[in-house]
Amino acid sequence: SQQGEEDPQALSIQEGENATMNCSYKTSINNLQWYRQNSGRGLVHLILIRSNEREKHSGRLRVTLDTSKKSSSLLITASRAADTASYFCALANFGNEKLTFGTGTRLTIIP
Amino acid sequence: DAGVIQSPRHEVTEMGQEVTLRCKPISGHNSLFWYRQTMMRGLELLIYFNNNVPIDDSGMPEDRFSAKMPNASFSTLKIQPSEPRDSAVYFCASNPSGTDTQYFGPGTRLTVL
Repeated sequence: SQQGEEDPQALSIQEGENATMNCSYKTSINNLQWYRQNSGRGLVHLILIRSNEREKHSGRLRVTLDTSKKSSSLLITASRAADTASYFCALANFGNEKLTFGTGTRLTIIP
Repeated sequence: DAGVIQSPRHEVTEMGQEVTLRCKPISGHNSLFWYRQTMMRGLELLIYFNNNVPIDDSGMPEDRFSAKMPNASFSTLKIQPSEPRDSAVYFCASNPSGTDTQYFGPGTRLTVL
C-alpha cells in the first residue's frame, strides 16, 4: 500500500533558521496532511492541502504540493525551540477515510 | 472538549496475558481509528470504525488482536494472548464526518515482558 517517504530522516538547525522537510508518494491522493508529534505524545494535525491546491499557509507553516512530481514540502519559518518534534506527512486517498502516514522527519531546533 | 481519551497510559504485562486498551473518541466524531507505532514499522493503521461499524481491519496483525466499538463513545482493542513483539505505543484517533483530519489521543505504551 502507499506510504509517504520523508526526507531528511533527521534535521538539526539553529533557532531562527527555516526548516524544510519533504514527502514523496506513489499514487494519486485526495489530500495530503502534515502532523507533528512531540516526544511521548500523540500526533497533532498541522495543515491539510488538497490535490487541486499548490500552496497553503498557516502561521509560520508553508506547505506546497506538486502532484506531477508526487511530492510535498513543509517549510517552518523562523524556527523556535518548541518546534522540536517529529513531523509526518499523511496521505488521504479517494473513497475512504484511511490515512497512510510517512516515515517522519525528526526535527531538532538548537537554542 | 477533553479530546480523545485513552487508558491506561502505560501497561506492563507478561507474555500470555490478556491486554485491553480503551478509547473514548471526541463527542460527535463518527470515525475511530486504532494505530500502532514502533521504531521499526512506524505508524500502522490496525482498524477503523465508522458509526460504530468496523470498516477496514486489514491492518490487524493476527487473530490475537480484536477490536470492538459497542457505542459511539467507547472502543476497545484487545490482545489475547500478548507477546513481546506486541510492545509498542497504541494510538486511538477520531474524526468528524466529512473531514479527513484526525485527532489523536495520547497513546498507550504497552510493554510485554
